[in-house]
Amino acid sequence: QKEVEQDPGPLSVPEGAIVSLNCTYSNSAFQYFMWYRQYSRKGPELLMYTYSSGNKEDGRFTAQVDKSSKYISLFIRDSQPSDSATYLCAMKTSGTYKYIFGTGTRLKVLA
Amino acid sequence: GAGVSQSPSNKVTEKGKDVELRCDPISGHTALYWYRQSLGQGLEFLIYFQGNSAPDKSGLPSDRFSAERTGGSVSTLTIQRTQQEDSAVYLCASTTGGYSNQPQHFGDGTRLSIL
Repeated sequence: QKEVEQDPGPLSVPEGAIVSLNCTYSNSAFQYFMWYRQYSRKGPELLMYTYSSGNKEDGRFTAQVDKSSKYISLFIRDSQPSDSATYLCAMKTSGTYKYIFGTGTRLKVLA
Repeated sequence: GAGVSQSPSNKVTEKGKDVELRCDPISGHTALYWYRQSLGQGLEFLIYFQGNSAPDKSGLPSDRFSAERTGGSVSTLTIQRTQQEDSAVYLCASTTGGYSNQPQHFGDGTRLSIL
């Protein structure tokens, strides 16, 4: 079993929809959670960074962490065709230098 | 610089040739990582630098792969006697320190194609 599981998609939604992207994990020691967006032929771009549980909002993006369920989510409101990309989750424990990545979910927002 | 810079952005070479990939991290970032990303695959960890030292080289696939970092800044990943299975995107990331718990920032990668 991988430490971090992420549905590869593709996930296709109409423009304006609310998108929910998710990762599950097995290591309860993860405390730092990140979401990256990766456009084709580009590197991953940091979208959201959260510590421990709770929600964090930035514009149309909301990151949610549920440590009791070992589940994190990224919500995108009013999705746009420009949101079409691969979304990677990443996690880290304190006291280590390693970041553990999901394999990414490919999102297509249809105009 | 403002972001992580990688060069070249694309590299096409013949099987058996050596290649050098360069990464220039964000100024002040002491931790630097190399990853490999194959089509449709996740990020494969290759090596971690803290300053000029590489305490974790465990992800390097074979002894044809090596990396160095000088002056606590620029890093070079070298692949000797390239094979077709080396074709992938090589990504570099940096952060303020490996144990800083800050997120990594990535360059746009070098897309390597071995003919």
